[in-house]
Amino acid sequence: EPEVTQTPSHQVTQMGQEVILRCVPISNHLYFYWYRQILGQKVEFLVSFYNNEISEKSEIFDDQFSVERPDGSNFTLKIRSTKLEDSAMYFCASSRNRQDQYSSYNSPLHFGNGTRLTVT
Amino acid sequence: AQKVTQAQTEISVVEKEDVTLDCVYETRDTTYYLFWYKQPPSGELVFLIRRNSFDEQNEISGRYSWNFQKSTSSFNFTITASQVVDSAVYFCAHSGGGADGLTFGKGTHLIIQP
Repeated sequence: EPEVTQTPSHQVTQMGQEVILRCVPISNHLYFYWYRQILGQKVEFLVSFYNNEISEKSEIFDDQFSVERPDGSNFTLKIRSTKLEDSAMYFCASSRNRQDQYSSYNSPLHFGNGTRLTVT
Repeated sequence: AQKVTQAQTEISVVEKEDVTLDCVYETRDTTYYLFWYKQPPSGELVFLIRRNSFDEQNEISGRYSWNFQKSTSSFNFTITASQVVDSAVYFCAHSGGGADGLTFGKGTHLIIQP
């Protein structure tokens, strides 16, 4: 079964450094997402991306964050100047369709296994 | 604004017991979608179910069943004859559709003791 893959599984960076988290969505999917989960807390939506532009973003997704689809397969999340509070698990997700009644009844949103970011 | 409440922070039961995880949501959307995800200790998010707001039929999948009640804005999840492998954090989530992201509840940590 096709999977969303994320690399690396764990990244350690120093405060103030730039970090890029990488994701390869499922190949025929059109919608891409990033979510964040601070340790022990709930999963929070960051951003959705469709047709090479951001569709929606949350309050968390400030100017320090950016997303890009640099080629036909990768989807990246960049944090320009990391802060201690950026330490979290970052999940990439993708879906074939919009989440509406015309979508497949099965899981519309496939998550990767996450990248654990530790900012020191 | 959407909100998902999972009032049970942690539940601990002995193996083979039945257990119900509660989920209550608030939404202004007329059409919306509800989800359950499982997060085992390894950390990944495992999809369990998606339910459309216009389909109030309950669903059973093996030992899992879901009770969607629009009148009480609840989407509860029951595990019958629980097993140790069911131990995980379970998240309920809501989406208004389109490109909206999911709004997750805080999760319920389910511990199944042997």
